[in-house]
Amino acid sequence: EDQVTQSPEALRLQEGESSSLNCSYTVSGLRGLFWYRQDPGKGPEFLFTLYSAGEEKEKERLKATLTKKESFLHITAPKPEDSATYLCAVQGNTGNQFYFGTGTSLTVIP
Amino acid sequence: DAGVIQSPRHEVTEMGQEVTLRCKPISGHNSLFWYRQTMMRGLELLIYFNNNVPIDDSGMPEDRFSAKMPNASFSTLKIQPSEPRDSAVYFCASSFPPLGAGNTIYFGEGSWLTVV
Repeated sequence: EDQVTQSPEALRLQEGESSSLNCSYTVSGLRGLFWYRQDPGKGPEFLFTLYSAGEEKEKERLKATLTKKESFLHITAPKPEDSATYLCAVQGNTGNQFYFGTGTSLTVIP
Repeated sequence: DAGVIQSPRHEVTEMGQEVTLRCKPISGHNSLFWYRQTMMRGLELLIYFNNNVPIDDSGMPEDRFSAKMPNASFSTLKIQPSEPRDSAVYFCASSFPPLGAGNTIYFGEGSWLTVV
């Protein structure tokens, strides 16, 4: 069965302290790996789609990378407004399901 | 552009009552998804529709749950009778075109359900 595991569950950073979030996955033929940001009381907001190993996408202080077994979301010099839960999801070839991880809760302290 | 619109945003109901959650997908999107989110299990897919037809309802937890999509711009998720363990946030999401090579799905703001 397709699975997604995210780590760490929670991460506290000082403003400006760069770090990475991990998303490990097993899937039967990857169609796409997705990163979402979710703020409290809101729905997940789309950030990136990665399709193949070696691919990278960037948006402001965020950069997502993909290997055959995992994806990283790198956060460079984070700001308090980057505080949110970051969700990873994969879509495989066996169906049209998106399998979500349970997320990493990021807190950036001023 | 309007995003996915869900109603109600918050619902508190008594055990045994019927609950109906509503969703309007993004105009032109022809795939619609219902997800449930809890602290313990994260986001779980309940059911998804393609061109108004239910494709996979294997995530619907019990017969108490039912979903319909009578037209391309409206869907409902009904729980009858509701139970306290149904308390969760229910998200609707939509996508276009039909899921193929990693098409993105866009979420609504969610319906927060509390069953007491």
